[in-house]
Amino acid sequence: QQQVKQSPQSLIVQKGGISIINCAYENTAFDYFPWYQQFPGKGPALLIAIRPDVSEKKEGRFTISFNKSAKQFSLHIMDSQPGDSATYFCAAKGIISGGYQKVTFGTGTKLQVIP
Amino acid sequence: SAVISQKPSRDICQRGTSLTIQCQVDSQVTMMFWYRQQPGQSLTLIATANQGSEATYESGFVIDKFPISRPNLTFSTLTVSNMSPEDSSIYLCSVVVSHNEQFFGPGTRLTVL
Repeated sequence: QQQVKQSPQSLIVQKGGISIINCAYENTAFDYFPWYQQFPGKGPALLIAIRPDVSEKKEGRFTISFNKSAKQFSLHIMDSQPGDSATYFCAAKGIISGGYQKVTFGTGTKLQVIP
Repeated sequence: SAVISQKPSRDICQRGTSLTIQCQVDSQVTMMFWYRQQPGQSLTLIATANQGSEATYESGFVIDKFPISRPNLTFSTLTVSNMSPEDSSIYLCSVVVSHNEQFFGPGTRLTVL
C-alpha cells in the first residue's frame, strides 16, 4: 500500500517533443506529490510538486497532471531539450504510520532527449 | 530552500572498515534523513534523525550498522560500519523545510573493495 509505481523505466524523446512519465499510488493518506530530477553524480533536485486538491500544476515547461479518483499523476515535459536528460523520480508523501510523514519514491525513469 | 553539503563526496574503502559521512545544512532544520541509492535504483530511507533524540531506523537498517549522530540543528553524521561490498552505494542526506519541500545533498559515493 505504500508503493508508488512509476513508468516507463526509460524513455527516449526527440528534441522538441513531449516527455510523459506516469505514477500510480494506492494509499489515500498521501497528500503531497513531488517530482525530482537527478543528474548523474548529483543528488535529486525538487522539480515541481502538487497537492491532491488541484488537477494540474504548471511551471515553465513542466506540468503535473493529477487524477485523484484514479490515484495517478504524471509529469509532462513540453519542448523537451537535451539538457532535460536525467533520471526523474515521482514521490508521494503523507502520514502513514506513527503519526509522522513518510515519503515513498517511485522507481525512477531515465529520460534521454536526443537532438 | 536549503543548501546541503556532504563530506566526503566519494570514497573507496576496504572491507571491514567504517566510514563516517558528514552532512551540513545552511539553516536549522528539525528533521534530517539519510537515504541510500544503489546504482540505477530508487532512494531507500535508512533513518530519520531528529536533534536531541535517537534516530528512527527503517526496516532492514539497524543502529549497529548505521549509527547516526545529530548534535545540532544543522549537522548530522552517518557511519557505515564493518563495511562489505554490498554497502557500495550512494548515501544521501536530506532535509524537509517549509511547505513539505524536501531537499537532498549531493551524495557520498561509496565503493567497498
